[in-house]
Amino acid sequence: DAMVIQNPRYQVTQFGKPVTLSCSQTLNHNVMYWYQQKSSQAPKLLFHYYDKDFNNEADTPDNFQSRRPNTSFCFLDIRSPGLGDAAMYLCATSRELGGHEQYFGPGTRLTVT
Amino acid sequence: QKEVEQNSGPLSVPEGAIASLNCTYSDRVSQSFFWYRQYSGKSPELIMSIYSNGDKEDGRFTAQLNKASQYVSLLIRDSQPSDSATYLCAVQGGGSQGNLIFGKGTKLSVKP
Repeated sequence: DAMVIQNPRYQVTQFGKPVTLSCSQTLNHNVMYWYQQKSSQAPKLLFHYYDKDFNNEADTPDNFQSRRPNTSFCFLDIRSPGLGDAAMYLCATSRELGGHEQYFGPGTRLTVT
Repeated sequence: QKEVEQNSGPLSVPEGAIASLNCTYSDRVSQSFFWYRQYSGKSPELIMSIYSNGDKEDGRFTAQLNKASQYVSLLIRDSQPSDSATYLCAVQGGGSQGNLIFGKGTKLSVKP
């Protein structure tokens, strides 16, 4: 089955220790998104890639970076995690930008100690 | 600031009843609307998309869209305890290439 995969599902890191979360997709979609979701809040878009073109949301902190080495994979790097960065990180894909359906991976729960 | 508003709930309905979930949005040019279901601790799962005014049915789910009133709703017929989850409304904002704007979700509880 075509799907969006995220690894790891749970990640514990120390305050200030860099961490990388990964996402892969077999849907062959052009767009990959990274969202942050905290408890009882809406998913918050951090950035997206349309193919190799990167689009950062205006309010995404510089502490968050992303890489998309090929169509299938996308990474979220948190350079110096703070306690406030503890959240669920969701990867999603869509065929195109705009009003196309987005499909989410299972998410990575990040804990910062 | 483009916004999507939902009643946070919890909305409690008895098993077998119709659950009605509502969502309003502020961006008049939005063209695409989605409902996601999110179980506690899990990721959002797409259950319905709707693009035109009127109703769209898929099994026990019916999405309703009224662009003039900037209102979209989701009806769940014959509600089951397994429908207990948070339902997120998402609206495409900012023109034809705009990203999705999510509401905070309505928590639905279906009592056996």
